[in-house]
Amino acid sequence: GQQVMQIPQYQHVQEGEDFTTYCNSSTTLSNIQWYKQRPGGHPVFLIQLVKSGEVKKQKRLTFQFGEAKKNSSLHITATQTTDVGTYFCAGPRSSNTGKLIFGQGTTLQVKP
Amino acid sequence: DGGITQSPKYLFRKEGQNVTLSCEQNLNHDAMYWYRQDPGQGLRLIYYSQIVNDFQKGDIAEGYSVSREKKESFPLTVTSAQKNPTAFYLCASTPGQGRETQYFGPGTRLLVL
Repeated sequence: GQQVMQIPQYQHVQEGEDFTTYCNSSTTLSNIQWYKQRPGGHPVFLIQLVKSGEVKKQKRLTFQFGEAKKNSSLHITATQTTDVGTYFCAGPRSSNTGKLIFGQGTTLQVKP
Repeated sequence: DGGITQSPKYLFRKEGQNVTLSCEQNLNHDAMYWYRQDPGQGLRLIYYSQIVNDFQKGDIAEGYSVSREKKESFPLTVTSAQKNPTAFYLCASTPGQGRETQYFGPGTRLLVL
């Protein structure tokens, strides 16, 4: 069945280091979304990418959608302790019912 | 202040007991969803509803039931048939009509006594 995989599952970095999480889909996606979940909190929508090869930036966060629309990445430059949390990617299900399929997430820990 | 509310924040279930988790939204969204989150895992879809009085099973519906009698409300019942109910339950909604960004409630943490 359709799958969305994320790597790595966990990442520990020193404050100021960069961080990247990768998302790979078994199927071509019409769009991909990224969410952030702080410890003890709920997922919050960050961004949606739609076009092949699209790159979007939000301050220190850079999101990229692959040319084949099957992979995506989130890169954080110069991490801060406020970046701590789990980052999920999600894409529409093939059945096109408005449902999303989520990756298992990458949990980022930042040491001050 | 628009959003999604879930109650209670923590819920304890005894063996053989059914419990109901509340989810209410005032965003006027058509579609609503229930997810289960276990430690180190992503979000797994339990049930979803695209319109009032209609809902469909997700990937892990066994042991759960839902209703959608009002647009604003989508309660989830965890039945005694769900043998491993301890998890974090998240309710979400989307505007529908192809707009897929999900808005999540704060979640309910269910623990078994």
